[in-house]
Amino acid sequence: DTEVTQTPKHLVMGMTNKKSLKCEQHMGHRAMYWYKQKAKKPPELMFVYSYEKLSINESVPSRFSPECPNSSLLNLHLHALQPEDSALYLCASSPRGGTSGGYDEQFFGPGTRLTVL
Amino acid sequence: AQSVTQLGSHVSVSEGALVLLRCNYSSSVPPYLFWYVQYPNQGLQLLLKYTTGATLVKGINGFEAEFKKSETSFHLTKPSAHMSDAAEYFCAVSDRAGGFKTIFGAGTRLFVKA
Repeated sequence: DTEVTQTPKHLVMGMTNKKSLKCEQHMGHRAMYWYKQKAKKPPELMFVYSYEKLSINESVPSRFSPECPNSSLLNLHLHALQPEDSALYLCASSPRGGTSGGYDEQFFGPGTRLTVL
Repeated sequence: AQSVTQLGSHVSVSEGALVLLRCNYSSSVPPYLFWYVQYPNQGLQLLLKYTTGATLVKGINGFEAEFKKSETSFHLTKPSAHMSDAAEYFCAVSDRAGGFKTIFGAGTRLFVKA
């Protein structure tokens, strides 16, 4: 299995809702990432997990809460989002964790298209 | 801090023509360079990468790129464009100084005319 899967594909939520995005990979990768991508822009790094521990948080607002329950699974919990948080949320993984991960390509999922009303 | 500049937000070529997408990087230490492609409503897919060694890197779908340290460039080329190459292309860099975070360029949209 060489895929990164993300669910749901689309999500519409109100500003008071709580929802979660899910990402899964079964390639044995030790680093996993969340990116936010606005239309016609490059992906912006949000969080990096290395060996299931949060290693990078790019000053993301606390209304976004990541979780890595095991080495194959990555969640992004959403609460009290704003309309400007509407975007494509991409999950990615790479084979090695730690600084060695910087040498590696990232494998991206198809993304979750999030709309906040 | 490392950075990436992609020259030209849009490039249009005719089918069968040469594709050239330009990327210049800034890095204080040896960089690791990547080209990714993104088709509409999809995630990114790696085309090719340079870490060390041979400076001419061949990737998937007939693409290649050459690492030129003296010019701080990593331009992407393909000899003959296909309609299926129409997509968004991102150049990216990571290095030790940046904690190995991957920094993406702004992207270049490639249009292929029949």
